[in-house]
Parts: sequence; structure tokens; C-alpha cells
Amino acid sequence: GAGVSQSPSNKVTEKGKDVELRCDPISGHTALYWYRQRLGQGLEFLIYFQGNSAPDKSGLPSDRFSAERTGESVSTLTIQRTQQEDSAVYLCASSPFTGYTEAFFGQGTRLTVV
Amino acid sequence: KQEVTQIPAALSVPEGENLVLNCSFTDSAIYNLQWFRQDPGKGLTSLLLIQSSQREQTSGRLNASLDKSSGRSTLYIAASQPGDSATYLCAVRRGREGGSEKLVFGKGTKLTVNP
Repeated sequence: GAGVSQSPSNKVTEKGKDVELRCDPISGHTALYWYRQRLGQGLEFLIYFQGNSAPDKSGLPSDRFSAERTGESVSTLTIQRTQQEDSAVYLCASSPFTGYTEAFFGQGTRLTVV
Repeated sequence: KQEVTQIPAALSVPEGENLVLNCSFTDSAIYNLQWFRQDPGKGLTSLLLIQSSQREQTSGRLNASLDKSSGRSTLYIAASQPGDSATYLCAVRRGREGGSEKLVFGKGTKLTVNP
């Protein structure tokens, strides 16, 4: 596609439910990032995928959070047993293989846990 | 650990002014630095990318500079317009440490340009 696509754009869920957020990167981009942005806060790194290398999961805040990526395509971020503090905008970005290239962001998924 | 700081946190200027936003980072081992714009409730739009070997990049009324050795970058906006009102974020892509080249972000500068 022309850009990074995220779905859904908005998600309201009840506390304790599981949610899945989806990211479709730009075709051919091997690097994919997930970030979280709480209201009025900066971007918080969650996880980074680079090709077939082991992902950098150092930003995942708890074991309730997990992410998968199939090859160089779609990624899903799963949050289990959601809590109110998980409410945030979840942003995905992709970039081509090398470290010298530009990263492009999707429009984000706004998650509200009630 | 790479840390990115942006000063000021907020800035309000009258239309037509030239302005400078500042970004500093603690570890000079970076691949590149990227400036983004974020409008309320929206994702990030890439403005400029400066490679570690470059000193500056220009796009229209925007000019970004990079002084890697001192860990600083500036974003210069000429002849500001109300449509420039947004939050401006800088991010550095750190060099390969353990295989991760993640982007590290500052907290942003919220710019308001008044008509």
C-alpha cells in the first residue's frame, strides 16, 4: 500500500478483555516498530522487528503485551487482560532495511479501556 | 542509554516569525536523526531526515541541522504560518547495539503560530 495502515482506528474495550491491534507496513519495508503514546505524553517504545532477526522486546511493559510479525508483512500487537492504564494511542512505523533510512508512521489505534 | 531532550516544551509565536526548535541527544553513535510533525489526534508525519554524516537538510521553509559531535540538532522554520501549529518531535536512530536500531524520541515541542 501507499503508507503504513493500522486497524482498527479506534477500539473501546472492557477492562479484563484481550485486544489485537494490526499494522500493515509499507511493502518491502523490513523494519517495523510499535510505540505507545499516552494522553499528553511522549512516544514510548514497545517493540522492534528487523527482518528475520530476533525482535527487540525491551520496551514491552509487562507479560500481558506481546507482538508477532509474519515475515516482512503484517504485525499484530496483543494486549491480554487489558487495564485502564493501557488506554493510549498505539502507533506503528516501518522503514527499509538499513539503519540509514526514513521511518514512516501509521495513523495509530486509539485504545480506550473502560 | 540514549536520551533525547527537546527545548522548549512549548512555544507561541505570531505569524511570520522565524523560529528555532532544539533537540539534544546524549549518545553520538547514531545512524540518523529525523524530525516529525504530529497534529492533535493524528499520527506522525516525517519532515526531514539527516544522516549522521550530513550537516543539514532543507525542505521548503524548513531547515534542519545536525552537530553529531555535540549531540545537537535544530529545526528552523522560516516565515511561520498558523498551519505550522503542531507538536514537533525529533528522534534518533541509534547505532547497532545488540542488533536493535530503534528510534528514540524526545517529548516534543508544541508550537502555536497565532494569526
